[in-house]
Parts: sequence; C-alpha cells; structure tokens
Amino acid sequence: DVVMTQSPLSLPVTLGQPASISCRSSQSLVHSDGNTYLNWFQQRPGQSPRRLIYKVSNRDSGVPDRFSGSGSGTDFTLKISRVEAEDVGVYYCMQGTQWPTWTFGQGTKVEIK
Amino acid sequence: EVQLVESGGGLVQPGGSLRLSCAASGFTFRNYWMSWVRQAPGKGLEWVANIKQDESEKYYVDSVKGRFTISRDNAKNSLYLQMNSLRAEDTAVFYCARIGPGTRSFDIWGQGTMVTVSS
Repeated sequence: DVVMTQSPLSLPVTLGQPASISCRSSQSLVHSDGNTYLNWFQQRPGQSPRRLIYKVSNRDSGVPDRFSGSGSGTDFTLKISRVEAEDVGVYYCMQGTQWPTWTFGQGTKVEIK
Repeated sequence: EVQLVESGGGLVQPGGSLRLSCAASGFTFRNYWMSWVRQAPGKGLEWVANIKQDESEKYYVDSVKGRFTISRDNAKNSLYLQMNSLRAEDTAVFYCARIGPGTRSFDIWGQGTMVTVSS
C-alpha cells in the first residue's frame, strides 16, 4: 500500500499568517492516465470531513481561494495564505492513485496560537 | 441539497453483527461509486470499502475482508455495510461517502454513525 506521511502533525498558527502542510507518498502518485490523484480534506472539530482540493490543485466549489494545493510525484503541499479562525481543525491528504486501496495521511492539527 | 444520512450504528458485543445504512438524496445515486470510510475515536481516517454503480465491483481494506460486505439498492437510493465478526478495533465513526467522478476521492460525506464494539 502507498504510505502517506504528513508534517507537521501539529501546526500552531497566528491569525492572518500563512500556514503550510506537507504530504509525502511512499511512491509516485502519477497514474498511468496522466493524472495525479492527491486530495486534501479538512475536518473541523465535531464535523465530518470536507474535501478542499482534488487532483493536487483543484479547489472544490465553495472553498475559499486562500487554500491552494501544489506538488508533484511524491511531494505535495497544502497552503493557507492567511489563516482565519474557521480554519481550525485537522487536515488530511489522501491518495486515490493506487486503486482500490486508497490511503490517508495521519492528519495535521491546525490551531490558533 | 445533496445529502448522505447514515444510520444503524450502536453498541455491539465482540463477535456480533451490525448493518449500517446510508440514505442518499439530492443527486442521481445510481450514477456514482460509493464508499464507507471510518474513523476510530481520536484517530485518523481509514477507507473501508468501495462499490461500483451496478455492484459488479466491490473492494475492501484488508482488515475487513471476509467480515464486512458493502451493498446498495439503487431503487431505494441506499448504501449498506453489513459488518460481521466485529472486533474491538472496529470501534469507529463510519461515514458514507460519494466518489466524485474522475477524481478518485470523496466529494460528499455523511454525518457519520458511531459503532462501538465492547462487552
């Protein structure tokens, strides 16, 4: 199985400041169809997960543009340009390239300093 | 409004069985692959099972193979997870999730249903 490793696991941030989460996969996430199926999810306290980003850098409908995804191959990043209070929660990367055993990272907890 | 609503969770003894249900609304259920994803208390997310639109393909994480069965009823817009031989390590919130077309990931999630396996 593809192992997804996130860092850091805890990220204290100041309101209005940027934040960055790294996600690395144990093997390339480039699929034979040319796509890279790397996704990012946000889980606010007490809520269900919500997808933010799919295929590395595509924002889902309704996701603020302060969220952006980038990367290629085995190294990926989720960036929040200016953290707001509503961004507190746990963020997970997930690979969908290796079918059908999809795997998540351990999660990164974002909190306000 | 696109919505997934799970039900059927509860307390069950080790070795017991439980059947989870997920009611879909607001979209054409029969057109989508569907999944179950779980989250143990205080832990991360784990994909559990996928099912194709016509039930011709089903896939499971290794830890539940032979014990869990995913199924669906397109006429009732419903997804199911039959869980047998339950273990303490199956204790988790179980989420029903829709697989977004062409994205190989979960674009819609339910609110989850809690399953507790304990004597």
